[in-house]
Amino acid sequence: GESVGLHLPTLSVQEGDNSIINCAYSNSASDYFIWYKQESGKGPQFIIDIRSNMDKRQGQRVTVLLNKTVKHLSLQIAATQPGDSAVYFCAENILVDDMRFGAGTRLTVKP
Amino acid sequence: NAGVMQNPRHLVRRRGQEARLRCSPMKGHSHVYWYRQLPEEGLKFMVYLQKENIIDESGMPKERFSAEFPKEGPSILRIQQVVRGDSAAYFCASRGAHTGELFFGEGSRLTVL
Repeated sequence: GESVGLHLPTLSVQEGDNSIINCAYSNSASDYFIWYKQESGKGPQFIIDIRSNMDKRQGQRVTVLLNKTVKHLSLQIAATQPGDSAVYFCAENILVDDMRFGAGTRLTVKP
Repeated sequence: NAGVMQNPRHLVRRRGQEARLRCSPMKGHSHVYWYRQLPEEGLKFMVYLQKENIIDESGMPKERFSAEFPKEGPSILRIQQVVRGDSAAYFCASRGAHTGELFFGEGSRLTVL
């Protein structure tokens, strides 16, 4: 039968504060990672990616950090805004052609 | 340049009926993925296809579920004899041959009465 699903962990932040969303990935051989944002009722949208030969990558208001030693990925959002409220997923490239997603974190921004 | 198109956006079926979900990838993309999402849960991988080939179907139930991506036309996810537990959002994503980024459709929400 199907495995039991896990409800999304949540993170609540004040508008204007910085947000940090964490993700543990499963395969030490993964060489490419992506963060996606999913708003209610919509499909996931690409935010930022990082390759395994990097530790950090910055975009507009977002930074992704990769720690390969402990297989940990984080997404930092600076000056969080109400429009950032969404579910955030990390995805890892397990094989050459395969992307697998983490469980996701729901970010709620309080005005 | 249209994105990934999924239809229907919403589908209601009664137990025992068949559901067919269609996905047209972005122009030029030959890799298609199907994911299932229950409310308040993450994306669960179902199947990965390239044109006319199933590459990885390890996430798809062995019975009642099938997927195809023919040479011409959209990818189809087919669920036979639906049960209430099949109610979920089904997302399709596509990518090009040399990129890792997945582009997602808006999903097809299946409700089984």
